[in-house]
Amino acid sequence: GQNIDQPTEMTATEGAIVQINCTYQTSGFNGLFWYQQHAGEAPTFLSYNVLDGLEEKGRFSSFLSRSKGYSYLLLKELQMKDSASYLCALTRSGGSYIPTFGRGTSLIVHP
Amino acid sequence: DTGVSQDPRHKITKRGQNVTFRCDPISEHNRLYWYRQTLGQGPEFLTYFQNEAQLEKSRLLSDRFSAERPKGSFSTLEIQRTEQGDSAMYLCAGENSRGFTDTQYFGPGTRLTVL
Repeated sequence: GQNIDQPTEMTATEGAIVQINCTYQTSGFNGLFWYQQHAGEAPTFLSYNVLDGLEEKGRFSSFLSRSKGYSYLLLKELQMKDSASYLCALTRSGGSYIPTFGRGTSLIVHP
Repeated sequence: DTGVSQDPRHKITKRGQNVTFRCDPISEHNRLYWYRQTLGQGPEFLTYFQNEAQLEKSRLLSDRFSAERPKGSFSTLEIQRTEQGDSAMYLCAGENSRGFTDTQYFGPGTRLTVL
């Protein structure tokens, strides 16, 4: 089976940096997605990591360690609009690449 | 805007009624996925299509759930004899599997409330 673990909730201050962790256990790991989901809305794509290392995209960066089964999403210069749920999802190789989502981390940014 | 649309956005129905939801991906999305999401959970995979072929349906929640994609473009998800436990957000996502990342682009979802 697959197991994905994320913190349920995090709070941070506007302008600060926050790191949201995702650990996973699975066989045949292929890649890991991060999605942002505002309340009542659909998930929107943030990043996709297949190789180890850090990928930076503006204020958001995503890191993957395949050997440790670990990823994080780093959000810099937090803004109030970053208050949302952040979902990590993994795909497995050798088949349909159907992503399995974690429960998501609800991030609350306060002034 | 991902270009993926869903209709209706909200549906309120009485227990025992049938409901049908529609998803329209963009033309490049040869794959189309359906998910269910309940409060505080991530999307839960239901089924997916590669063009018009339904390649995985074993995770549809019961035989009351069915999906079609007759011409490989839009798709419908039907729930027969709805139950209160079916209340959830139903999401569809399109994917261009010929792309590198297999990234899925979600529609806005249909929120179902079963009374």
